[in-house]
Amino acid sequence: DGGITQSPKYLFRKEGQNVTLSCEQNLNHDAMYWYRQDPGQGLRLIYYSQIVNDFQKGDIAEGYSVSREKKESFPLTVTSAQKNPTAFYLCASSKFRGTHQPQHFGDGTRLSIL
Amino acid sequence: SQQGEEDPQALSIQEGENATMNCSYKTSINNLQWYRQNSGRGLVHLILIRSNEREKHSGRLRVTLDTSKKSSSLLITASRAADTASYFCATLFEGNQFYFGTGTSLTVIP
Repeated sequence: DGGITQSPKYLFRKEGQNVTLSCEQNLNHDAMYWYRQDPGQGLRLIYYSQIVNDFQKGDIAEGYSVSREKKESFPLTVTSAQKNPTAFYLCASSKFRGTHQPQHFGDGTRLSIL
Repeated sequence: SQQGEEDPQALSIQEGENATMNCSYKTSINNLQWYRQNSGRGLVHLILIRSNEREKHSGRLRVTLDTSKKSSSLLITASRAADTASYFCATLFEGNQFYFGTGTSLTVIP
């Protein structure tokens, strides 16, 4: 079955440490997205990518970095510059970043600070 | 913020009743989508309504859109315990970026 796989499901970060969240899709989608979800809040866009080797910042990109070396993969690195990283991180993809395409989501990674 | 706002924040109903949740947004949109999120899981797309549409149905779901009032509603008829989840609206603006609301938490009591 096609879908989006996020790993790990739970992740703990120590002070000053960078951590990388994995997102892989086998839907042959061009566009991929990273969102952050805090309790009682909606999703906020961190980064998105429309094609390989290209990505743009979302509303809350500071303290995060991404790469898009392959169509299937869009890893997110939470750097030590992100002072409040504790949140639920969701990866999504869509056929292309067109106007009427639904987004397909992975099951998320919950990141906490040790 | 361009984020949509859902109302109510929480809703609790008996199984078999209808559930209605609303979404308001601030600027012109291309389309509006509704998603469901079960606890600790990712979002699942439910239905999309374009800015030139006023109503759309999918199974037990009915979505309306009033662009003059910048609002949408999601109606779930004959609710089931399995409908217990959070529901989010997402609006697509001219910049091709989605903005998600804060969600309505629905509890369906068996």
